[in-house]
Amino acid sequence: GDSVTQKQGQVTLSEDDFLFINCTYSTTTYPTLFWYVQYPGQGPQLLLKVTTANNKGISRGFEATYDKGTTSFHLQKASVQESDSAVYFCALVPNSGGSNAKLTFGKGTKLSVKS
Amino acid sequence: DTTVKQNPRYKLARVGKPVNLICSQTMNHDTMYWYQKKPNQAPKLLLFYYDKILNREADTFEKFQSSRPNNSFCSLYIGSAGLEYSAMYLCASSTGLGGYEQYFGPGTRLTVL
Repeated sequence: GDSVTQKQGQVTLSEDDFLFINCTYSTTTYPTLFWYVQYPGQGPQLLLKVTTANNKGISRGFEATYDKGTTSFHLQKASVQESDSAVYFCALVPNSGGSNAKLTFGKGTKLSVKS
Repeated sequence: DTTVKQNPRYKLARVGKPVNLICSQTMNHDTMYWYQKKPNQAPKLLLFYYDKILNREADTFEKFQSSRPNNSFCSLYIGSAGLEYSAMYLCASSTGLGGYEQYFGPGTRLTVL
């Protein structure tokens, strides 16, 4: 079945540090890939969405590149702020369509940014 | 308004007792989902409604029920809560299936004692 792996359970940085969150995936199709972010007390919300057509997503200073060769979709930000502290989920939807087109999440990476 | 609401935010239940969680959205989305989230685990899809059609995941088929009396509301029902049901339950909605953005509610934290 489909799977998403986030190796880092927690990342702690200082403001203005570079952020890199690892995400790899496994599926039989070329999926649509997502990053969702969950701030404290809220539900997850969409941060980035990338399809096979556009390869790279950029939003709010975050970017992620769809790499079919390494089946990776790592999240990066050049300079983090304390307000970026949240849990980041990588996710995929297979392109098989219909009721099989369900969102599969990774376990999430908790980012803590110290001022 | 892109808000998905969930009630209650916190629920304490006794083992063997029923639990009913409520979700609502006003975006006229045709698809509504329920996920279970436990610490250090990925959110797990339990079931979803596409319009009036309920789809339940095979491994949780008998554990959870749901109803969708109208487009805006969706419930998650546990007939007899066990300790293993303690988790955060997230409701989400989207326009259609597939690669559409899902809008999540803040979740209901269920504790079973």
